[in-house]
Amino acid sequence: NAGVTQTPKFRVLKTGQSMTLLCAQDMNHEYMYWYRQDPGMGLRLIHYSVGEGTTAKGEVPDGYNVSRLKKQNFLLGLESAAPSQTSVYFCASSRHRDRAYSNQPQHFGDGTRLSIL
Amino acid sequence: KNEVEQSPQNLTAQEGEFITINCSYSVGISALHWLQQHPGGGIVSLFMLSSGKKKHGRLIATINIQEKHSSLHITASHPRDSAVYICAVKGSGGGADGLTFGKGTHLIIQP
Repeated sequence: NAGVTQTPKFRVLKTGQSMTLLCAQDMNHEYMYWYRQDPGMGLRLIHYSVGEGTTAKGEVPDGYNVSRLKKQNFLLGLESAAPSQTSVYFCASSRHRDRAYSNQPQHFGDGTRLSIL
Repeated sequence: KNEVEQSPQNLTAQEGEFITINCSYSVGISALHWLQQHPGGGIVSLFMLSSGKKKHGRLIATINIQEKHSSLHITASHPRDSAVYICAVKGSGGGADGLTFGKGTHLIIQP
């Protein structure tokens, strides 16, 4: 049972470098999310997607871009990494709300620990 | 924006003790989630509830919508329960935007 898989698990970047974090889910979920977790703070939403080809900004979107070209994948990009983006990044997915369920649990990946020097 | 407050921030208890973690939020919600994060970082959903009470094994979650408050209880606590427990809420606006999270409660159960 793969669930939500994030790659890579760890990465160290220099300021100004770019990289892409990949999130893949095998549960056919419509909704996907990217969060960041920082010490002393709750997880915060960066961007989210309600379906293939759609993305939307969350609480802390600046400095990040996302793409959802395929339903199962949600990519988070850092075009020019900054030390303030040092964090642990979590991807999550959930089913679409329907008449039977007003909400759906979110399934999380194991996180990507990113350090920007 | 909803504010989610958890208490206590840190809790150390002896094996076998009854544990209570509290969560308060500031505005109306459609659902409240309890999550568990173990050392090493993975996050697991424990409960999602919008009213009343849910039980799974030794874990019990309750919510009082009128008081905007939820509690997570652990009966007969065990060292393997040591983890960070996170409360998160989904707004009542109906959109697909994500959850608002508390800062977590760091629980240590000593043998």
